[in-house]
Amino acid sequence: DGGITQSPKYLFRKEGQNVTLSCEQNLNHDAMYWYRQDPGQGLRLIYYSQIVNDFQKGDIAEGYSVSREKKESFPLTVTSAQKNPTAFYLCASTSGGSGRHEAFFGQGTRLTVV
Amino acid sequence: KQEVTQIPAALSVPEGENLVLNCSFTDSAIYNLQWFRQDPGKGLTSLLLIQSSQREQTSGRLNASLDKSSGRSTLYIAASQPGDSATYLCAVRPHTGNQFYFGTGTSLTVIP
Repeated sequence: DGGITQSPKYLFRKEGQNVTLSCEQNLNHDAMYWYRQDPGQGLRLIYYSQIVNDFQKGDIAEGYSVSREKKESFPLTVTSAQKNPTAFYLCASTSGGSGRHEAFFGQGTRLTVV
Repeated sequence: KQEVTQIPAALSVPEGENLVLNCSFTDSAIYNLQWFRQDPGKGLTSLLLIQSSQREQTSGRLNASLDKSSGRSTLYIAASQPGDSATYLCAVRPHTGNQFYFGTGTSLTVIP
């Protein structure tokens, strides 16, 4: 089945640790995105990538880093510089070019600082 | 910057009722608008996508309309069921730029 797989579903981070959230898609989509969701604030864009080896900062990129070495994969690292990382993280992808640009989402990773 | 608003933030209706969810956006230069459903603790599931050249899209009991000139979209749910209980979000993709903008959602509860 085609789709987006995020792992792990739950992640716990100690103060000062870096953690990496995985996002893999088999939809052959060019563009991939990372969003953060907090109660009452809606979804906020962290990073997005339109093509392999290229990515751009979104509205809240500070304390996060990404890589796009393969079309299928767009991992997100939450660094120790992110002071309030507890949130629900969602990965998405869309087709590029002149297509529909319909967005598809993974099932999310809930990150908690302990 | 595109601003997307969804009103009401929460809605509770008895089973069987028809209902309308609203989404408004500030910049009419959009590429498409997409409606999603989110169950608690889950990701977003795409319901309907309306391209900027379209006026509406239908899928089963769902109908979404788009009026670009007034910056509005509505999601109509016919004969609501308890299983429709979820948060519904709309997202707008502008003509320029590479991201899409979300509203904060409407939390729907359908009472049996």
